[in-house]
Amino acid sequence: SYVLTQPPSVSVAPGKTARITCGGNNIGSKSVHWYQQKPGQAPVLVIYYDSDRPSGIPERFSGSNSGNTATLTISRVEAGDEADYYCQVWDSSSDHPVVFGGGTKLTVL
Amino acid sequence: EVQLVESGGGLVKPGGSLRLSCAASGFTFSNAWMSWVRQAPGKGLEWVGRIKSKTDGGTTDYAAPVKGRFTISRDDSKNTLYLQMNSLKTEDTAVYYCTTHICGGDCQPGFDYWGQGTLVTVSS
Repeated sequence: SYVLTQPPSVSVAPGKTARITCGGNNIGSKSVHWYQQKPGQAPVLVIYYDSDRPSGIPERFSGSNSGNTATLTISRVEAGDEADYYCQVWDSSSDHPVVFGGGTKLTVL
Repeated sequence: EVQLVESGGGLVKPGGSLRLSCAASGFTFSNAWMSWVRQAPGKGLEWVGRIKSKTDGGTTDYAAPVKGRFTISRDDSKNTLYLQMNSLKTEDTAVYYCTTHICGGDCQPGFDYWGQGTLVTVSS
């Protein structure tokens, strides 16, 4: 089955840029979605179809996808961005068609 | 405003059954493709399965770990999604979320709305 690999943790100082990667075999050929989850809360979609932002999500959140890596970029990081972030794709060829990455804990220093 | 409210979670013994419900409002439920996603304590997200809208056939797909034990259904007259869980195992312990697909169809969708989740604990 298809595997998505995320770094377990990323740390960034306030005001700086955080980049969270999601690796997968030829992931650039798939559509990638990103979720933010704060402790005790349900996940929130922050990027869909690689780089689109749902209404209400700040422009500081952006996404890209090419080759074997998709990236979620958070500019001008704020303390409130501290959360777990998950990438997700569909793999129609698999018996497990929806795949999530293992998640990345973003720590704001 | 879209709302998804799950209910039905609780403590159940291994081998037991439980039915979760998800009451939907604020959108046209009958047109929506829906999924269940779960999260074991301290772990990541895991997709459980999906159901298409009835106009698109109403069929279901499941993740391998739950196939044959879990059944997703919908009652469009009640705007409610269900997850029937049988032959429960300790590894099914998780918070279960119902979610909406950002688009209907085979469009590789993300999940744009999530309920608050309901905790299922499988333990003797």
